[in-house]
Amino acid sequence: DIQMTQSPSSVSASVGDRVTITCRASQGISSWLAWYQQKPGKAPKLLIYAASSLQSGVPSRFSGSGSGTDFTLTISSLQPEDFATYYCQQANSFPPMYTFGQGTKLEIK
Amino acid sequence: EVQLVESGGGLVQPGGSLRLSCAASGFTFSSYDMHWVRQATGKGLEWVSAIGTAGDTYYPGSVKGRFTISRENAKNSLYLQMNSLRAGDTAVYYCATSIAADWAFDYWGQGTLVTVSS
Repeated sequence: DIQMTQSPSSVSASVGDRVTITCRASQGISSWLAWYQQKPGKAPKLLIYAASSLQSGVPSRFSGSGSGTDFTLTISSLQPEDFATYYCQQANSFPPMYTFGQGTKLEIK
Repeated sequence: EVQLVESGGGLVQPGGSLRLSCAASGFTFSSYDMHWVRQATGKGLEWVSAIGTAGDTYYPGSVKGRFTISRENAKNSLYLQMNSLRAGDTAVYYCATSIAADWAFDYWGQGTLVTVSS
């Protein structure tokens, strides 16, 4: 099975900072990667799909890049509403297994 | 407006069974893959099952043989039959679908809590 490893597990940052979160797949997954944001008590929200496609309605300060095994989610200028937990997810296998990373908690410094 | 509403959660004893439901509206239910994802309190997301438009089903090893996903297109409903439940199955269970973002899960329900305890 493909394993997804995110780093860091948590990060502290300030409003206006640029933040990058990394997701590594245990084997190549082409661009079959998505990123989600989750706030406490809420369902996850899709931010990025196909590694770099911005989901409709998501602010352009969010961007995704990478292919193969290494991927990044970048928030160019943190806003107060961005403090949340972020998850990557892969879907490149058959039979399909939609594996999530363990999550990265983004906290206010 | 796309809506997914889960129901059927509750307290069940270890070894017991429970059936979750997800009522879908606002889209052509029969045309899209559907999923269940769970999250234990304070933990990460775990994909639990998927069902394709042709009724093909998929599970991770942690639930294979114990959980069964199904759909009833005439009722715009998704189900998850959970048998031989364990304490480790305690979680909020979400249904989700992939409508306009390739395979990614772009719509989610609010979740239903399943607690497995004696």
